[in-house]
Amino acid sequence: GAVVSQHPSRVICKSGTSVKIECRSLDFQATTMFWYRQFPKQSLMLMATSNEGSKATYEQGVEKDKFLINHASLTLSTLTVTSAHPEDSSFYICSAGDPTVSNQPQHFGDGTRLSIL
Amino acid sequence: GDSVTQMEGPVTLSEEAFLTINCTYTATGYPSLFWYVQYPGEGLQLLLKATKADDKGSNKGFEATYRKETTSFHLEKGSVQVSDSAVYFCALKLTGNQFYFGTGTSLTVIP
Repeated sequence: GAVVSQHPSRVICKSGTSVKIECRSLDFQATTMFWYRQFPKQSLMLMATSNEGSKATYEQGVEKDKFLINHASLTLSTLTVTSAHPEDSSFYICSAGDPTVSNQPQHFGDGTRLSIL
Repeated sequence: GDSVTQMEGPVTLSEEAFLTINCTYTATGYPSLFWYVQYPGEGLQLLLKATKADDKGSNKGFEATYRKETTSFHLEKGSVQVSDSAVYFCALKLTGNQFYFGTGTSLTVIP
């Protein structure tokens, strides 16, 4: 079964709305989680690294005030797209790995398809 | 910098055809290499992996060998099925858990 749960799977909302996406590790504690964004027919692009108990690390070109990340517990990271606009419509995916297992590949959530009208 | 270059698609094959999707990488260290598969509307699923040179990852009839001399990790399957239709991503991971992905290759298998 899934070891990383992402919710919701799909969101459709009006421009200007803020949208929160949750990423949970189900079988392990994750001090670090990753948030990716995928445009149609393109690869996953890392947006930010979510660090439990500290500030997220954002990739170049990603607006930290636009994409708020909170990693308040060892099993939950949230990504909030603030004041979303149509250009924010995309597929967002989180990932996490069990830090106690060497060479453990990342487990990915099923993704959230965000559509801003 | 670290990166993955993946064969561009889309790729269309007939059922039972042989599949190769090329993947080469650039890395400053000694990466682990992965192939992930994404079915329509779903997230990524790990297909196979290799953690060191000459390792062969295999799963569901797919194989890929970690070739350090050619910095490659080509994905192969001897006989594809319609159910293999998906997007395939080659990826590398260095220390830590950050992944670098290729652009993905869309595969369509027709009956």
